[in-house]
Amino acid sequence: EDQVTQSPEALRLQEGESSSLNCSYTVSGLRGLFWYRQDPGKGPEFLFTLYSAGEEKEKERLKATLTKKESFLHITAPKPEDSATYLCAVQGGNNRKLIWGLGTSLAVNP
Amino acid sequence: GAVVSQHPSWVICKSGTSVKIECRSLDFQATTMFWYRQFPKQSLMLMATSNEGSKATYEQGVEKDKFLINHASLTLSTLTVTSAHPEDSSFYICSVLRGGSANTGELFFGEGSRLTVL
Repeated sequence: EDQVTQSPEALRLQEGESSSLNCSYTVSGLRGLFWYRQDPGKGPEFLFTLYSAGEEKEKERLKATLTKKESFLHITAPKPEDSATYLCAVQGGNNRKLIWGLGTSLAVNP
Repeated sequence: GAVVSQHPSWVICKSGTSVKIECRSLDFQATTMFWYRQFPKQSLMLMATSNEGSKATYEQGVEKDKFLINHASLTLSTLTVTSAHPEDSSFYICSVLRGGSANTGELFFGEGSRLTVL
């Protein structure tokens, strides 16, 4: 069964304290792994797509990486405005429906 | 600016009444729109895929007679929650495929509509 597990459930960082969020997945024939950011009371905002193991994508303080079993979202020197819930989703080859994780709630203290 | 506009942002209604939520694609025509529901501490759940000019495709377990979807134009899809009950209280979010992307995982989401049924 296709599955996505994100960890930790919640993370609190000091401004400037780098860290990583994890997205572990099991899927038949990965078509893509997607990272989204969701602010409270808002719809998710697309960040990255990763297609194959070894691929990396970067955007400002965020870098997403992918292996055959998991993806990491690295946050370098985070700022308070990076506080949000980060969602991971995968799309498999057998069923194109997105499988979503529960998200990691990130709080960055000034 | 916003690519997908959703209205209303929040609505409170009495049990047994119906509520309509609108989703508009602002920047481009969308033949397909997706409706999601999100409960606290739960993952996003796809409810249905809205197809312009044809019937929506509902996910397993979603009652099509309760959640009426109409996609009458290339820029507007509506979700009507009929005879709403407190258990229907949730955050409803629509989305469209990002322009030029053939991959259904890249989506623009609306701002969401918070429904509270008393």
